[in-house]
Amino acid sequence: EAGVAQSPRYKIIEKRQSVAFWCNPISGHATLYWYQQILGQGPKLLIQFQNNGVVDDSQLPKDRFSAERLKGVDSTLKIQPAKLEDSAVYLCASSLVGGNTGELFFGEGSRLTVL
Amino acid sequence: AQRVTQPEKLLSVFKGAPVELKCNYSYSGSPELFWYVQYSRQRLQLLLRHISRESIKGFTADLNKGETSFHLKKPFAQEEDSAMYYCAPPEKTSYDKVIFGPGTSLSVIP
Repeated sequence: EAGVAQSPRYKIIEKRQSVAFWCNPISGHATLYWYQQILGQGPKLLIQFQNNGVVDDSQLPKDRFSAERLKGVDSTLKIQPAKLEDSAVYLCASSLVGGNTGELFFGEGSRLTVL
Repeated sequence: AQRVTQPEKLLSVFKGAPVELKCNYSYSGSPELFWYVQYSRQRLQLLLRHISRESIKGFTADLNKGETSFHLKKPFAQEEDSAMYYCAPPEKTSYDKVIFGPGTSLSVIP
């Protein structure tokens, strides 16, 4: 089966610019996650969708980050304006809904460098 | 909120030696715990989950509720085991929130 697709793989921007990342989850996976992974740290959950509704965005810096999942499939994560500390790999993951299986399937990630 | 600690940031062992990657969590209840692994230039992926009590690639993990630990073990390390390992205990919410520990980088020396 096709895995989680993310784009772009790499992005370099200057601070105060904006950037958007795209994610296409595995077909049929209702739950979609965006994680931020700063170098040397574990992935940190930014936002979690179930279908097209947000179930957790407690760690999302809402003054600059936004995310949407239209039609319960693809998702975009936007940062505007970017700060130096936003340099990280942004990981998208998806999982089957129902139960507490917890198995997440990850994309390759989008590496953001803010100069 | 759930907290996960992995006390070793880096762990080096010789090939053929036993390896233990430590994970401690804070949760009152019966958590379901997972280990994820990221090999060089590959995606983060599930290694094993405690509920299935399986052994994957020779790794096992035992849940110790008394010590709130879920250490990952392998009796004989192989070079291909070199990777980043993340302990991941989901929070018991209605929506399967999964948080990750800080990770341990395992390096197996030939």
